[in-house]
Amino acid sequence: GENVEQHPSTLSVQEGDSAVIKCTYSDSASNYFPWYKQELGKGPQLIIDIRSNVGEKKDQRIAVTLNKTAKHFSLHITETQPEDSAVYFCAASGNQGGKLIFGQGTELSVKP
Amino acid sequence: DAGVIQSPRHEVTEMGQEVTLRCKPISGHNSLFWYRQTMMRGLELLIYFNNNVPIDDSGMPEDRFSAKMPNASFSTLKIQPSEPRDSAVYFCASSKGRASGANVLTFGAGSRLTVL
Repeated sequence: GENVEQHPSTLSVQEGDSAVIKCTYSDSASNYFPWYKQELGKGPQLIIDIRSNVGEKKDQRIAVTLNKTAKHFSLHITETQPEDSAVYFCAASGNQGGKLIFGQGTELSVKP
Repeated sequence: DAGVIQSPRHEVTEMGQEVTLRCKPISGHNSLFWYRQTMMRGLELLIYFNNNVPIDDSGMPEDRFSAKMPNASFSTLKIQPSEPRDSAVYFCASSKGRASGANVLTFGAGSRLTVL
């Protein structure tokens, strides 16, 4: 089955700096790669996703890149703000009936 | 839309007791997922349903865990008997599921279970 590895587990940046979180996956059949943000006491919320026919996608300060050959994808947050502080999860899904497998999570801390 | 609704939000129980967690998915969503979150193991998929039918329960840890979806608007996850190692946050999520994947999951706020 699919296995998703995520790094780093914790990340601390200064406000205004960029943050990058990386994930690798094992199943070459996976074709959907979402990123979720989880704030304290809440459930994860989708922030951006990418499908395997696209190499990069951007939404304001957030971008995701995908390298299908290397089986890795990354989340880039530019001009970080304190409200970006949260736990971020990557995930992968393929032709398994919609089953999403999550990475271990990255705790991002943005210091003012 | 009220989103995915889970109850209870917090549950504290003693080892050996039965625990029932409840979930109401978003209306119109036909896939429902139960995840468990712990510090050690992260977000683990326990089971998911499509059109009220269990599709994959390979993540259910053992026979003490069971899940049902009697209709499109309600699901339960039951643990009987509960053990301290079951302590975790249990999330329910729903989506407009497609067999080919690429589902956008909407999560509930979670049920935090503590088994003493």
